[in-house]
Amino acid sequence: SQKIEQNSEALNIQEGKTATLTCNYTNYSPAYLQWYRQDPGRGPVFLLLIRENEKEKRKERLKVTFDTTLKQSLFHITASQPADSATYLCATAWDNYGQNFVFGPGTRLSVLP
Amino acid sequence: KAGVTQTPRYLIKTRGQQVTLSCSPISGHRSVSWYQQTPGQGLQFLFEYFSETQRNKGNFPGRFSGRQFSNSRSEMNVSTLELGDSALYLCASTNSEGTEAFFGQGTRLTVV
Repeated sequence: SQKIEQNSEALNIQEGKTATLTCNYTNYSPAYLQWYRQDPGRGPVFLLLIRENEKEKRKERLKVTFDTTLKQSLFHITASQPADSATYLCATAWDNYGQNFVFGPGTRLSVLP
Repeated sequence: KAGVTQTPRYLIKTRGQQVTLSCSPISGHRSVSWYQQTPGQGLQFLFEYFSETQRNKGNFPGRFSGRQFSNSRSEMNVSTLELGDSALYLCASTNSEGTEAFFGQGTRLTVV
């Protein structure tokens, strides 16, 4: 069955540094990958989507890459701030029809001042 | 534009009872999905409704059911509650391209 893994359960970095989170998928070739941010007790919030034919996507301080050979997506936050502290989830859909997204377990990022 | 609204925010139920959770999607969104989130299992897909029809279903027992109304509002029902059903239940509606999910705040269900 389709599976998404995120390599770190938790990641601590110093303010101002770049945070890099990893998402790997198996048994599937998704047409796109998504990244969400989730704060405690709240629902996930969509951040970025990258399609299989895109190598890189940027949005302000966020950058996502997609390597279909490695079956991996990297999520970068540059010039990190304490307000970036949250859990980050990657997700993909089983197919391009329907909303049965498969989510990774998430990486809890803590940006230390 | 109002976001996805879930009610109630918190619920405490006793084992064996049943519960109904409600979700109002973003206006114009026809797809509504439900997820269960627990610390051990993460975010797991329950089912998806589109135009009042269940279009996809995750791997949950039949005690978990749902429905969608003509105005796209959706309800989720869990019967014969078990302690392990304690979780944050999230509802999401999606944009017309089906590429972005908008989540509600969730309903925190505690079964005692």
